[in-house]
Amino acid sequence: QSVLTQPPSASGTPGQRVTISCSGSSSNIGSNTVNWYQQLPGTAPKLLIYRNNQRPSGVPDRFSGSKSGTSASLAISGLQSEDEADYYCAAWDDSLNGGVFGGGTKLTVL
Amino acid sequence: QVQLQQSGPGLVKPSQTLSLTCAISGDSVSSNSAAWNWIRQSPSRGLEWLGRTYYRSKWYNDYAVSVKSRITINPDTSKNQFSLQLNSVTPEDTAVYYCAREPRIAAALLIWGQGTLVTVSS
Repeated sequence: QSVLTQPPSASGTPGQRVTISCSGSSSNIGSNTVNWYQQLPGTAPKLLIYRNNQRPSGVPDRFSGSKSGTSASLAISGLQSEDEADYYCAAWDDSLNGGVFGGGTKLTVL
Repeated sequence: QVQLQQSGPGLVKPSQTLSLTCAISGDSVSSNSAAWNWIRQSPSRGLEWLGRTYYRSKWYNDYAVSVKSRITINPDTSKNQFSLQLNSVTPEDTAVYYCAREPRIAAALLIWGQGTLVTVSS
């Protein structure tokens, strides 16, 4: 059971906009920033969004992040087939004094 | 360009110690602007943060509650690398293990190692 809660799956058609939610609590998302990772099959996770809404160099602006209270969201606009992957949210948890991840969302591009 | 190269055995016997090393190129393990993390991933537990080491005038460690009694993460400044030791392993510790660099400015895992599948089995 992951500390952060994500829907197990999401889907969309090419060109569509999809959002993935991440729910936490006051000790993690409520008091710290949220990061998002993309994982393609057989590869290490890749940082997609850091500090709630910042994109590392090289990440397309089709990817955006937001946070409100104890929840966060990842939005992908102009969906492409190459976006089919697993997506994970993460944050620091002050009560656990450690990092925590969501269970992951498998995105399917129909 | 920072790169992380993991090494270590892929098979460990139950009750023994799992040991992995992460060699750093393009940065220093003693950097004041980064932390060095270990994470693992298994089908049953998903992505699980295990711990980190970092230098801020002195060395610090943070460990996950789930493994705190069994884990040690050590920096090795002479070889510019850091290591993971997990004691008293069980089959539940079977996972892909990753090391990762966390820039202070990002507070996120920006650079990842290639991953090492460690199987705990007799």
